[in-house]
Amino acid sequence: EVQLLESGGNLVQPGGSLRLSCTASGFTFSHYAMNWVRQAPGKGLEWVSTISTTGGSTYYADSVKGRFTISRDNSRNTLSLSINNLRPEDTARYYCVKDGLRYCSGDCHFDYWGQGTLVTVSS
Amino acid sequence: DIQLTQSPSTLSASVGDTVTITCRASQSISNWLAWYQQTPGKAPKVLVYKASALESGVPSRFSGSGSGTEFNLTISSLQPEDFVTYYCQHYYSYSWTFGQGTRVEIK
Repeated sequence: EVQLLESGGNLVQPGGSLRLSCTASGFTFSHYAMNWVRQAPGKGLEWVSTISTTGGSTYYADSVKGRFTISRDNSRNTLSLSINNLRPEDTARYYCVKDGLRYCSGDCHFDYWGQGTLVTVSS
Repeated sequence: DIQLTQSPSTLSASVGDTVTITCRASQSISNWLAWYQQTPGKAPKVLVYKASALESGVPSRFSGSGSGTEFNLTISSLQPEDFVTYYCQHYYSYSWTFGQGTRVEIK
């Protein structure tokens, strides 16, 4: 059974930093690109970032480029998102999401989603 | 960037009805479109990918159609658990965009 377990969400002041983690199990982690998607309270879904199977290629939404860094450790089946210079508009639940097919090159839907971790940016 | 516009934003229907949600893309996206269902307080769940391919385990009352710039998600014979929110998503060539969502409510 595929499981994605996020952690690291917290209440942070504007300008602060956080590191989100996602531990994956139930599939061959290194065969799938991975993604972060966020959802502000009461709002829709927003794609945040994607990382290739090896970690050699990363992609970011314009709204987070330069502040967020996605990474992965295939030996530990973990996905991470480092967030700097947090803004109130970054307040959201952050979901760790698996690509729907192996070895996709930016042309895959998403299949499994974690339950998310909540990031709140407020003074 | 490609924009996706869903219509309607809210849809009122009754159990047993057949409903259609539309997703329009700002430019042609071939068939690189998925549909997700989200129940309040839960993570989204994929229903359809590549515009019309039904994800394994999804009931056959859900169907997707369309290509280019206009896509539809049709739910036949609405069940009580279908009164939730639906999102379309474009994915292709390192670009991922979601529609704003359609809430299906009980009339």
